[in-house]
Amino acid sequence: DAGVTQSPTHLIKTRGQQVTLRCSPISGHKSVSWYQQVLGQGPQFIFQYYEKEERGRGNFPDRFSARQFPNYSSELNVNALLLGDSALYLCASSLDVTTHTGELFFGEGSRLTVL
Amino acid sequence: KNQVEQSPQSLIILEGKNCTLQCNYTVSPFSNLRWYKQDTGRGPVSLTIMTFSENTKSNGRYTATLDADTKQSSLHITASQLSDSASYICVVSAAGTYKYIFGTGTRLKVLA
Repeated sequence: DAGVTQSPTHLIKTRGQQVTLRCSPISGHKSVSWYQQVLGQGPQFIFQYYEKEERGRGNFPDRFSARQFPNYSSELNVNALLLGDSALYLCASSLDVTTHTGELFFGEGSRLTVL
Repeated sequence: KNQVEQSPQSLIILEGKNCTLQCNYTVSPFSNLRWYKQDTGRGPVSLTIMTFSENTKSNGRYTATLDADTKQSSLHITASQLSDSASYICVVSAAGTYKYIFGTGTRLKVLA
């Protein structure tokens, strides 16, 4: 079975541009969450979606938005890119929305560089 | 404020040696604590998950301990290998929430 897949793996943008990152969860997983990981830091929570609805949002500006499609895949959009948005963007999938004991599986990430 | 702190920030050991990484948290109410291994530029991979009632869990050469009273956890790596070189991240979640609180990780380097 395929794991969590993310695309693109690497991309370079300039300040002010917009970017869309894509994530396909593990088959059967209905929850997708997004994280930003700046070099040398731990991942920071951005969004969680479950059954196509936003269930949680981290402390990120409105330039960040996301959605989940009927097939449970997800997109993360970032508008008006800033240099500080350069990071590894991780997508994680899980069976459900709670965090009790459910396993959280991560993709390999999308490395965004903003010049 | 829910926080997860890890120590040391970085660690260098020789192949074959053991090491212990520390994690202290202030997350409440506590649900579970996870340890992840993250190779440079890759996504984190789960090593262990422990709930309130568990105080030790092993995964091969990795053994995690949890003291819910003192809110501390440790990850012990036995007979280290070069492939253990990675960042090890402690993640804690609060009961009834969707959020995972990540530590900043310990960067381990194993030398031949």
